[in-house]
Parts: sequence; C-alpha cells; structure tokens
Amino acid sequence: AQSVTQLDSQVPVFEEAPVELRCNYSSSVSVYLFWYVQYPNQGLQLLLKYLSGSTLVKGINGFEAEFNKSQTSFHLRKPSVHISDTAEYFCAVSDLNAGGTSYGKLTFGQGTILTVHP
Amino acid sequence: DAGVIQSPRHEVTEMGQEVTLRCKPISGHDYLFWYRQTMMRGLELLIYFNNNVPIDDSGMPEDRFSAKMPNASFSTLKIQPSEPRDSAVYFCASSLDGNTEAFFGQGTRLTVV
Repeated sequence: AQSVTQLDSQVPVFEEAPVELRCNYSSSVSVYLFWYVQYPNQGLQLLLKYLSGSTLVKGINGFEAEFNKSQTSFHLRKPSVHISDTAEYFCAVSDLNAGGTSYGKLTFGQGTILTVHP
Repeated sequence: DAGVIQSPRHEVTEMGQEVTLRCKPISGHDYLFWYRQTMMRGLELLIYFNNNVPIDDSGMPEDRFSAKMPNASFSTLKIQPSEPRDSAVYFCASSLDGNTEAFFGQGTRLTVV
C-alpha cells in the first residue's frame, strides 16, 4: 500500500457509547486489511482482518469493521465501549501480488488513541 | 506456544555502543518481520525474512543497522554504532505465511543516551 490514513489521532468517548475509528488506504493493487490494538507498554494484538468474502468482518471484544472497496476504507466500529477498550488502535494494509497472495509485510496508519471515560 | 519472544524488554545504552536485539518467532512460522515504532514516524517495517532469507531490507535506515536470521527460531537486529535518534520501540513479528496475520512480540524499548 502506498499509504494508510487514520483520520482521527484521538477519539474520546463515554462508556457504553458507540464508536467508529476511521481508516482509509491508498494502493494500486488489491489488499488485505487488519486492525490491531496496542495497550500501554505492550505489543500489537490482532482485532480483526479482512482477507476476502463478506465485507463486514467481526473481531474480538465486540469490534467489527466494514471493507468498502469503492471508498478504499476499512472503518472500525463498536456499538458500546468499555473502559477496558482504552488503547491505541492501528489500521494496517498488506498488498497482494499478481497471484493474489500477500507478501505479509504491513503498512500501518499513524494510530488512533481511543479514550473511554466513565 | 509462548508467542513471539523478544529480549531484552528494555535497553539503555550510550551513544556509539553496539546494541543487539533478539527475537524468537513462533515455531513453524515462515515469515519474520522487524518493525520500529516512534512518535514521529509511527510503525515502520525495517526488514523481513522468509524461511530465514532476507527478502526486503529497504526499510533499514542506514548501514549502521543489520539483521540476521541464522535459523528458523532466532533473529537479531544489530545497531552499530548506536545514536540517540535510534531510540524507539523495536518490534519483532512472525506469521505462518504471507496470507495470515502477523503476531507481535512485546517489543524492546531502546534508549540511546
């Protein structure tokens, strides 16, 4: 992918409210899409992925994301957030080669810090 | 499996010293990646290996950086000599193949003073 843009660097929200974290990408080829979460002083943990098939994908902890090819977007949503969802979220893209498989390397967005307030 | 294991978790070194970061990927994973995370540049890929062979090192910032993977269960990232601008969190990740997700280690926080 040439670039991945996460449109919001910080998103504050109250507990039990819905949230959407936005991600747009630019690539001249087909892609796989991922959302990772990073808790303080920890590594990245996969939330969900889109490889093929249904454009609505469900992940762990009640998160889901929808792939929109025409808008080159992969926004992350959760209908009701918890305090424990406070973390940094990264959108990532992996380009596919001519054979339709991935090289595995990821291009990341700059991250969105989600802060859930009581 | 214990996941991707990195050592050390924290490293503080003086400018000019050699630094070696270590990574043990998940057993059976064919791909290994080294990423660097900084406030200014975010997460960027430095180099990745497939079956122990370096495939793409275009992200390695300078000749001061080198990476090796002598066998399927071990990789090192070396910086010699280190500089303060190398201060960052360095992540190692592995994946089963190019079509599955990457699993990340806990990272090594490097501080060069």
